[in-house]
Amino acid sequence: GENVEQHPSTLSVQEGDSAVIKCTYSDSASNYFPWYKQELGKGPQLIIDIRSNVGEKKDQRIAVTLNKTAKHFSLHITETQPEDSAVYFCAASRGWVTGGGNKLTFGTGTQLKVEL
Amino acid sequence: ETGVTQTPRHLVMGMTNKKSLKCEQHLGHNAMYWYKQSAKKPLELMFVYSLEERVENNSVPSRFSPECPNSSHLFLHLHTLQPEDSALYLCASSQEGKGTQPQHFGDGTRLSIL
Repeated sequence: GENVEQHPSTLSVQEGDSAVIKCTYSDSASNYFPWYKQELGKGPQLIIDIRSNVGEKKDQRIAVTLNKTAKHFSLHITETQPEDSAVYFCAASRGWVTGGGNKLTFGTGTQLKVEL
Repeated sequence: ETGVTQTPRHLVMGMTNKKSLKCEQHLGHNAMYWYKQSAKKPLELMFVYSLEERVENNSVPSRFSPECPNSSHLFLHLHTLQPEDSALYLCASSQEGKGTQPQHFGDGTRLSIL
């Protein structure tokens, strides 16, 4: 099955700096890669996603890049703010599979701390 | 995120109790999911329902029993749980059809087994 590795497990940056979180996946059939932000006491919130037919996607201060050949994808947050502090999860999926549903395989998470 | 609502938010139960977790989605989606989130471990998919039919049972022990009476509601019935079942249980929903669609999560039920 799919295996997703995520690094680093913790990341501390100064406000205004950029933050980069990297993930690798093992299943070459995976074609959908979402990123989630989880704040304390809350469920994961989708912040951006990318499909395998696209190499890069950007939404304001957040961007995701995908390298299908190397099987890795990264989350980039620019101009970080204290409210960006949270746990970030990457995930990978083959999409909806008959008899299996849309199974997301998650990374272990990155605790991002943005310091003033 | 108010599109997916889970109750209760917190639950403490003994190993011999029977309880149920409830999830309701207000997004008009046709697929619902149960995930388990334990400390230091990735989120684990437990069950998937599409149009009220279960399509995935990810080798989950029988002490967890899901129920999906309609496309908006999902339950997880619990009985004879073990201490290692203490975790955050998350419900999610998505609109499946053409292409892969994002899953939207509720805020979870924090379950503690005494």
